[in-house]
This record gives sequence, structure tokens and C-alpha cells, in this order.
Amino acid sequence: GENVEQHPSTLSVQEGDSAVIKCTYSDSASNYFPWYKQELGKRPQLIIDIRSNVGEKKDQRIAVTLNKTAKHFSLHITETQPEDSAVYFCAASPNYGGSQGNLIFGKGTKLSVKP
Amino acid sequence: NAGVTQTPKFRILKIGQSMTLQCAQDMNHNYMYWYRQDPGMGLKLIYYSVGAGITDKGEVPNGYNVSRSTTEDFPLRLELAAPSQTSVYFCASSIIPGTGKNEQFFGPGTRLTVL
Repeated sequence: GENVEQHPSTLSVQEGDSAVIKCTYSDSASNYFPWYKQELGKRPQLIIDIRSNVGEKKDQRIAVTLNKTAKHFSLHITETQPEDSAVYFCAASPNYGGSQGNLIFGKGTKLSVKP
Repeated sequence: NAGVTQTPKFRILKIGQSMTLQCAQDMNHNYMYWYRQDPGMGLKLIYYSVGAGITDKGEVPNGYNVSRSTTEDFPLRLELAAPSQTSVYFCASSIIPGTGKNEQFFGPGTRLTVL
């Protein structure tokens, strides 16, 4: 089955700097890669996603890149702000049979943005 | 729309007790999911359902049961609670994957402690 590895587990940056979180996946058939943000005590919320037929997607200060050959994808946050502090999860969605739509999550990255 | 709702928010169980975690969504989503989130870890899929009357196991189904009698409701049953089931449980729903709208919407979570 699919396995998702996420690095780093913790990341501390100064306000205004960029942050990059990387994930690798094992199943080449996976075709959907979302990123979720989870604030302390809250539910995960989707911030950006990318499909396997796209190499890069951007939404204001956040962007995601996908390298299908290497089976890795990354989240880029520019001009970080204190409110970006949270745990970020990557996920991959296998594309076979009844599992289509299921998400396999990485273990998360705790991002701290220092003012 | 209330989105995805879960009850209760918190619960303490004694070893061997049983309980049902309730989940409901009012977005007419076909797919529903149950995850558990242990401290410092990502989300692990327990069970999922692709529609009323259809359920299937995820990554960590042992010790749990589900049913899906309606599109709206997807309760999770714990029989013979064990300390290893201490976790935060999230329910989620999504429109049929593959339609271009794979986003999973999460409920607020249920924090369960088994003593």
C-alpha cells in the first residue's frame, strides 16, 4: 500500500522568511496530493492540493510542486506570518478500486514562525 | 450548512466499556471517513464508506465497527475499549473522488480517553 514520509518534523523560521516542507510517496499510481493545516486543538483544513497531471500550483503565498518521477511533492510558504504557525500534513490518494479518494497522511510538520 | 458534525466532543471510558461516536454531514457527500490521530502523529484511516450501505476497512480497523444506513450519518462503534484506543477521532466527508473535487471536509473531532 501507499506510504507517505514527511520532513522535517519541526521547522522554525523568522517572520518574513520562506518555509519548505517535503513529502515522498511510494505508490506511483497515487494521483492526488493535498496539504492540510491543523491549528492547535482544531480540525485539519485543506490549504492547497495538486493532481498528478500538474507540476506546480500556487495560491497567493503558498505553492505546491510535484515531481512524479521522483515521487515527491513539496509545500512552499513565502513571506511567513505568525498566523502560519500550525502543524501541516501532506497526503497522497491512491487510485485503485474502492480506495479511490482515501488519503494516506504523513506524520506532520510543526511550523513555528517567530515574530 | 453545518458541514460535518461530531458528538461527543470529549469522553472518558473505562477499559472494557463500549460507545458510539456520532458523525453527520449535511453536504450530501457520498464518501465518509473515520480517522484517529495520536499525539505527534498523522491521521490514520479506520473505516470509510462510499455510500449508504457500503463500508470498508482502512489502515487500522481492529477494535472498531461502522455502519452507514443513510447518506448523512456514519457512526463509529468501539467495543471493549482499550487504552490503545485513546486518541482524537475525526470524521470527514467528500464528494465522489475523481470528479475534480477530492477535498475532504473534517468534523471538529472527539477526544477519547480510555482508563
